[in-house]
Amino acid sequence: GENVEQHPSTLSVQEGDSAVIKCTYSDSASNYFPWYKQELGKRPQLIIDIRSNVGEKKDQRIAVTLNKTAKHFSLHITETQPEDSAVYFCAASKAAGGGNKLTFGTGTQLKVEL
Amino acid sequence: GAGVSQSPRYKVAKRGQDVALRCDPISGHVSLFWYQQALGQGPEFLTYFQNEAQLDKSGLPSDRFFAERPEGSVSTLKIQRTQQEDSAVYLCATITANYGYTFGSGTRLTVV
Repeated sequence: GENVEQHPSTLSVQEGDSAVIKCTYSDSASNYFPWYKQELGKRPQLIIDIRSNVGEKKDQRIAVTLNKTAKHFSLHITETQPEDSAVYFCAASKAAGGGNKLTFGTGTQLKVEL
Repeated sequence: GAGVSQSPRYKVAKRGQDVALRCDPISGHVSLFWYQQALGQGPEFLTYFQNEAQLDKSGLPSDRFFAERPEGSVSTLKIQRTQQEDSAVYLCATITANYGYTFGSGTRLTVV
């Protein structure tokens, strides 16, 4: 089955700096890669996703890049703000079969310091 | 409904007790998933329903775990003879046609 690895497990940045979180996946059939933000005690919230037919996607301060050859994808947050502090999870799934179940990474605790 | 609703929000069970966790999905969404999220970990897949059919239960950790969705809407995850290792947040999610998941707030199960 799919295996998703995520690094780093913790990340501390100064407000206004950029943050980068990286993930690798094992199954070359995976073609959907979402990122979730989870605040303490709350549900995972989708913040951005990318499909394998594009290499980069941006939404305001958040961007995701995908390298299918190397089987890795990254989340980039620019101009970080204290409210960006949370746990971020990457995930991967196939487009068809298995009900599109997601395999998650182990999470990155992002702390944005004032 | 407008979102995925789960109940109870918190559940404390004594070891050996049976529990039932409920998920009320978004109205009309045919796909429903259950995930288990242990403390400090990412969610892990348990099982998947398409309408009332359970098409994938490969993630259920043991035969003490059972899920059903008899009318293709509300789903129940049942755990029999709970063990301490069952302590986790249990998340329910539905999916839109373009792969987008919407998660419920989860049920935090603590087995003492």
